[in-house]
Amino acid sequence: DSGVTQTPKHLITATGQRVTLRCSPRSGDLSVYWYQQSLDQGLQFLIQYYNGEERAKGNILERFSAQQFPDLHSELNLSSLELGDSALYFCASSGFGLPNNEQFFGPGTRLTVL
Amino acid sequence: EDQVTQSPEALRLQEGESSSLNCSYTVSGLRGLFWYRQDPGKGPEFLFTLYSAGEEKEKERLKATLTKKESFLHITAPKPEDSATYLCAVQAMGQAGTALIFGKGTTLSVSS
Repeated sequence: DSGVTQTPKHLITATGQRVTLRCSPRSGDLSVYWYQQSLDQGLQFLIQYYNGEERAKGNILERFSAQQFPDLHSELNLSSLELGDSALYFCASSGFGLPNNEQFFGPGTRLTVL
Repeated sequence: EDQVTQSPEALRLQEGESSSLNCSYTVSGLRGLFWYRQDPGKGPEFLFTLYSAGEEKEKERLKATLTKKESFLHITAPKPEDSATYLCAVQAMGQAGTALIFGKGTTLSVSS
């Protein structure tokens, strides 16, 4: 158990809909990351938050957004869903600076768009 | 462009047959190289971080090494429970944030 929790574990929805994925980081970790994993693309970085502020953006679509709340949990919002958005979405957390550089991943949310 | 390439894509071993997985990277400046293990449908599990060329780390049957252009994950006398996908990732200096750039992984199958 990494200490990172994600809900829900599975999500099945229809094209055009909007969903929210939730992540709670390990105790004490200020950084939260979101990654998308699909069969053909592998693990792709979406976005990072540090202590409530957006820190870095990766290949995140404009239809996707995220935020980190004062209690440090994070939510990833996916809207106008398309079939191609079906994937595993992982949240990870880390401390800051060496030796706290390692990212610890949650169990993931499997999103299926029908 | 920062890039990570892992080889082979898949590897089948007999129990006890040692081997190595390769991770080649191209990065503007390496902040760290990370190895993870991922079981099907699960989140990646952290194994090692390497920071500088020549560094080595060991954990049970696994040993990770780092050069200026690549990293190896050596598996000694593997057991069936070592079957998983092994992911390599790099963190680059000069990038905004501390995101990881992942390779596509090597899927290891160990049979008894």
